[in-house]
Amino acid sequence: EAGVVQSPRYKIIEKKQPVAFWCNPISGHNTLYWYLQNLGQGPELLIRYENEEAVDDSQLPKDRFSAERLKGVDSTLKIQPAELGDSAVYLCASSFGLAGEEETQYFGPGTRLLVL
Amino acid sequence: DAKTTQPNSMESNEEEPVHLPCNHSTISGTDYIHWYRQLPSQGPEYVIHGLTSNVNNRMASLAIAEDRKSSTLILHRATLRDAAVYYCIPVSNTDKLIFGTGTRLQVFP
Repeated sequence: EAGVVQSPRYKIIEKKQPVAFWCNPISGHNTLYWYLQNLGQGPELLIRYENEEAVDDSQLPKDRFSAERLKGVDSTLKIQPAELGDSAVYLCASSFGLAGEEETQYFGPGTRLLVL
Repeated sequence: DAKTTQPNSMESNEEEPVHLPCNHSTISGTDYIHWYRQLPSQGPEYVIHGLTSNVNNRMASLAIAEDRKSSTLILHRATLRDAAVYYCIPVSNTDKLIFGTGTRLQVFP
């Protein structure tokens, strides 16, 4: 079974440029998450989708970050414009979304972003 | 959200058992204790979870203290592939994962 797919794996851009990350979750998973991981830190949740609906976007910096999950499957996370401090790893995860406190999340390999 | 305390780093030799501790003294009665690990340049992966009883799976064992204020992840025979950052995470019914900084495990041949 294919895992969570993310692309690109690496991205280098200049500050003020836009950038987009794509995620394809595990087939059948209703819930999709985007996390940000800074060097030496654990991942931090940016946004959570249940099907097409963003149910928790409280940590998403909405002035420059946006996300969408069309048709409740693939998702795109965008940053416009990127800043130097956005350099980090962006992780996508998915889960069935039914098991509550026993739910297991499956993570993709992440996209490593470097803003110059 | 419950706070966790884990050692920053631990070391082990290959084929020896490893006991990774976690303190979660503010855990609520219904929170499950999840462990994830993150290998270098990869996303986190699920290891094991439990509520009150000790749990075993093919990857590891989880020993939960009777008062649930701490738990220990046990790798019975460490391999070089077990070198990773291990995260202990109390999870409520919102199934939200709040990662700390975890324990970096080094395994020596």
